[in-house]
Amino acid sequence: DIQLTQSPSSLSASVGDRVTITCRANQRIYTYLNWYQQKAGKAPKVLLYAASSLQSGVPSRFSGSGSGTDFTLTISSLQPEDFATYYCQQSYSIPWTFGQGTKVEIK
Amino acid sequence: EVQLVESGGGLVQPGGSLRLSCAASGFILSSYWMHWVRQGPGKGLVWVSRINSDGSSTSYADSVKGRFTISRDNAKNTLYLQMNSLRAEDTAVYYCARGRPGFAGVDVWGQGSTVTVSS
Repeated sequence: DIQLTQSPSSLSASVGDRVTITCRANQRIYTYLNWYQQKAGKAPKVLLYAASSLQSGVPSRFSGSGSGTDFTLTISSLQPEDFATYYCQQSYSIPWTFGQGTKVEIK
Repeated sequence: EVQLVESGGGLVQPGGSLRLSCAASGFILSSYWMHWVRQGPGKGLVWVSRINSDGSSTSYADSVKGRFTISRDNAKNTLYLQMNSLRAEDTAVYYCARGRPGFAGVDVWGQGSTVTVSS
């Protein structure tokens, strides 16, 4: 199984901050990497797919980059509604796997 | 509006069975691969199973293989997850999700159905 390691596991940030979350795979997954946002008690929401493609309706402050084994999710200017847990997920091979999550909290 | 609505969750004793349903609306189910993903209490997301568009091919996580069966009825626009020999560690919120073409993850999630396995 492909392992995805996110860092950090949690972070505290202020509104307006630039936030970067990384996701590292233990083998090459090309750009089969997707990002989801989940708020407490809610279903996940798609942010980005294929490493850098923005899901329709998602604000442009979210961006993704990377290929191979190293990927990044960036929030250019953190907004109050962005405080949530973020997961990366690989769709290169079955079983699909998720990172352990990064919780973004208010500083 | 594209929507997935799960049902069938509840409390079941260890060793028992439960069948989850996922009703799709706003799109043609037969055009999409579908997935189940679960999330234990306070835990992260875990992929459970997938089925191709016509139901001829399925895959499972090792943790549920041989106990869970994914199926679909495209005429009824409904996805299923039959769960047998349930264990305490199967306790989770189960989400159905629509596969994005090109194996680029999922693009629509249901709201989730809670399964609790306890005596």
